[in-house]
Amino acid sequence: GNSVTQMEGPVTLSEEAFLTINCTYTATGYPSLFWYVQYPGEGLQLLLKATKADDKGSNKGFEATYRKETTSFHLEKGSVQVSDSAVYFCASTYSGGGADGLTFGKGTHLIIQP
Amino acid sequence: KAGVTQTPRYLIKTRGQQVTLSCSPISGHRSVSWYQQTPGQGLQFLFEYFSETQRNKGNFPGRFSGRQFSNSRSEMNVSTLELGDSALYLCASSFTGDSYNSPLHFGNGTRLTVT
Repeated sequence: GNSVTQMEGPVTLSEEAFLTINCTYTATGYPSLFWYVQYPGEGLQLLLKATKADDKGSNKGFEATYRKETTSFHLEKGSVQVSDSAVYFCASTYSGGGADGLTFGKGTHLIIQP
Repeated sequence: KAGVTQTPRYLIKTRGQQVTLSCSPISGHRSVSWYQQTPGQGLQFLFEYFSETQRNKGNFPGRFSGRQFSNSRSEMNVSTLELGDSALYLCASSFTGDSYNSPLHFGNGTRLTVT
């Protein structure tokens, strides 16, 4: 099977701090990888994605690099803002692309304090 | 453009009953997926429909079923409810269901409580 592991938190940081949320996956082959974000009161939305080794996804100042050798897709941001407070989910397809369901991590609750 | 709409938002049922949840996808989206979210297991894939056909199914018992109509709206049904079915049920739509090229758009979910 496939599983995605990420720190669950809550992770509490001060504004302008550096953020890293670790994510590792077990799917074989070349799964597509995603980070989804859920802001308070809203549905999950795609933050960024990557489909092959060494690809870097980026959006809203967040970045994540597809590391095949360590089966990881860690999320980073250089300077977080209060508005980044949300729950972040790492996800992967089972293998490759296609219409298979996504496997999600359990989510990391991020709290940014002013 | 309207987002993914799920109804009802909240539902309370008794063990042994059945329940039907509804999802209206974004206009033009033909793929609808369902996920169950619980504190213990996180988000788990239930099934995916495209053009009224179930294409993929997760590892859930047969009590969980779904269907998709010609207008792409989807329903999921849970029969013989158990306490463990209490969860947030999320619906997601996309143009093709190809997760990479056609990202999922999620609704706000239906919160089901089984007593």
